[in-house]
Amino acid sequence: EVQLVESGGGLVQPGGSLRLSCAASGFTFSAYWMTWVRQAPGKGLEWVASIKPDGSAKYYVDSVKGRFTISRDNTHNSLYLQMNTLRAEDTAVYHCARAVGDTDSWGQGTLVTVSS
Amino acid sequence: DVVMTQSPLSLPVTLGQPASISCRSSQRLVHSDGNTYLNWFQQRPGQSPRRLIYKVSNRDSGVPDRFSGSGSGTDFTLKISRVEAEDVGVYYCMQGTHWPPTFGPGTKVDIK
Repeated sequence: EVQLVESGGGLVQPGGSLRLSCAASGFTFSAYWMTWVRQAPGKGLEWVASIKPDGSAKYYVDSVKGRFTISRDNTHNSLYLQMNTLRAEDTAVYHCARAVGDTDSWGQGTLVTVSS
Repeated sequence: DVVMTQSPLSLPVTLGQPASISCRSSQRLVHSDGNTYLNWFQQRPGQSPRRLIYKVSNRDSGVPDRFSGSGSGTDFTLKISRVEAEDVGVYYCMQGTHWPPTFGPGTKVDIK
């Protein structure tokens, strides 16, 4: 069974940083693109970033380019999202998801709150 | 970016009755590999999204057969043949053909 478990969320001040992690199990992690998707409170879904299976290519939504970095550790079946210079509008539940265009499995998410 | 629109945004339904959600894209969703990457997700209250349908009309494992997807080009539809209480939630369409992947605004389904 595919399992994706996010961690690392919390309350952070504007301009601060946070690193999210996603522990994957139940599938061959190194064979899949991986994605972060976020959902602001009471709002819809927004794709944030994706990374190729070997980590050689990374893609971001325009609003986070230059501030967020997606990475992965295939040895430890883990996905990461380093978030810097956080803004109030980054407040959301961040979900780790397997694949991209045909994404099929999502974690429960971790809440990031950016507020002073 | 490809803009996804859904209608209606709110859908009150009677238990046992059918329901239909429309999703339209601002560009055709046929990929160069011949596939159309149009997915449907269900998000029940307090839960993370769950994929129901992939590539327009393929049901995911464990999804009841009362859910069906159809469409082509820029127009797609999710149908529930007979709504059950557990179907309450928000339904999103998502395109994965063009970068970046984009989602519709969601359709909230509840019981009348």
